[in-house]
Amino acid sequence: DAKTTQPNSMESNEEEPVHLPCNHSTISGTDYIHWYRQLPSQGPEYVIHGLTSNVNNRMASLAIAEDRKSSTLILHRATLRDAAVYYCILRPTGTASKLTFGTGTRLQVTL
Amino acid sequence: GAGVSQSPSNKVTEKGKDVELRCDPISGHTALYWYRQSLGQGLEFLIYFQGNSAPDKSGLPSDRFSAERTGGSVSTLTIQRTQQEDSAVYLCASSLRTSGSSTDTQYFGPGTRLTVL
Repeated sequence: DAKTTQPNSMESNEEEPVHLPCNHSTISGTDYIHWYRQLPSQGPEYVIHGLTSNVNNRMASLAIAEDRKSSTLILHRATLRDAAVYYCILRPTGTASKLTFGTGTRLQVTL
Repeated sequence: GAGVSQSPSNKVTEKGKDVELRCDPISGHTALYWYRQSLGQGLEFLIYFQGNSAPDKSGLPSDRFSAERTGGSVSTLTIQRTQQEDSAVYLCASSLRTSGSSTDTQYFGPGTRLTVL
């Protein structure tokens, strides 16, 4: 599976936007980019996914570089409840559906 | 609606004992996954069930680990002769779609924290 690289940690102030980067330079043409997050003492939860075009949902936005070698998860207004570990995951099309988690980015949100 | 549930939420056992961890997936979900998360480490895939197909056991760390899924619903992960390195949070997830869908969303349970003394 193609690898992803994320910063170990980031900090944000509440009510400010947060941009969480992910590098995936070896991504293949059929890999989808998925983001999950894990709140403290909980299982991971789905955030968003995309293939080539930017995506928006109620939780976040996903901006995908034109060459697809990087992407950015955008939280438009961070709240204390967004403090979590965010995982960027590549999922190949047509293969087993397991998720391969990296180390993720631990987001701290302060008042 | 009801999400994925797991039991027990916490399990403390002695080295060498066998343990069983249970997962109740979301009703109607055909795929079920087990992962584990050791202290300070990331999530590690263990095993994957999809409908009536043979499970993908490629992530099981040793033959002490086994899992079954009865009737296409509830799953049990069994660890025999537990070791201290088995201490971790064991997470179960389920998903609706059939195999091969890379957009398939997985829904995770709260996990079972296993401590082997």
